[in-house]
Amino acid sequence: DADVTQTPRNRITKTGKRIMLECSQTKGHDRMYWYRQDPGLGLRLIYYSFDVKDINKGEISDGYSVSRQAQAKFSLSLESAIPNQTALYFCATSEARDNQPQHFGDGTRLSIL
Amino acid sequence: AQKITQTQPGMFVQEKEAVTLDCTYDTSDPSYGLFWYKQPSSGEMIFLIYQGSYDQQNATEGRYSLNFQKARKSANLVISASQLGDSAMYFCAMREPYGGATNKLIFGTGTLLAVQP
Repeated sequence: DADVTQTPRNRITKTGKRIMLECSQTKGHDRMYWYRQDPGLGLRLIYYSFDVKDINKGEISDGYSVSRQAQAKFSLSLESAIPNQTALYFCATSEARDNQPQHFGDGTRLSIL
Repeated sequence: AQKITQTQPGMFVQEKEAVTLDCTYDTSDPSYGLFWYKQPSSGEMIFLIYQGSYDQQNATEGRYSLNFQKARKSANLVISASQLGDSAMYFCAMREPYGGATNKLIFGTGTLLAVQP
């Protein structure tokens, strides 16, 4: 089983719908992140959380919200989806030590029509 | 502000040859970390190699090595003996200064590598 699991893997929806992307991890990491990947732009940070009570905005948080339900679960919501939120979304986790990499889920490909 | 630049949008390499993927970074902090990730066509992000700013030696992991030139602010990835399975997008990323508030990664725009038989 994957250490970082994202659901769904693919989603097509309509403008204005509420969407929730879920992420769960079995790595026991405190830190969790949501990124968005667009062609030619690399990955950009949406939100991050260092523990259940700590939620922080990243560089592109507008139009998104998150919930850290437990140490192992971190969900991303689009309250009213719009077409320019069509992208590949990644959840990642990491240990608190600076020299440790972030471990990514397999991504959720989201298309908003 | 920290920034990562990958100037090669795409590259070709012959199987079994070595290839260097360029990465330059910009930071005013003395303490930072550099990472390389591989993204195959299936989409997942795979961690390859890490270099800390205070590490004395260049990092190596199997066929991957990092040519770290601190004065030039470059952290190029070298893949030796390329294989067809190395065909993928490669991202360079920098960890904000150690002890920084966010600990987030800043990514470059990536280099698409195609290995030819």
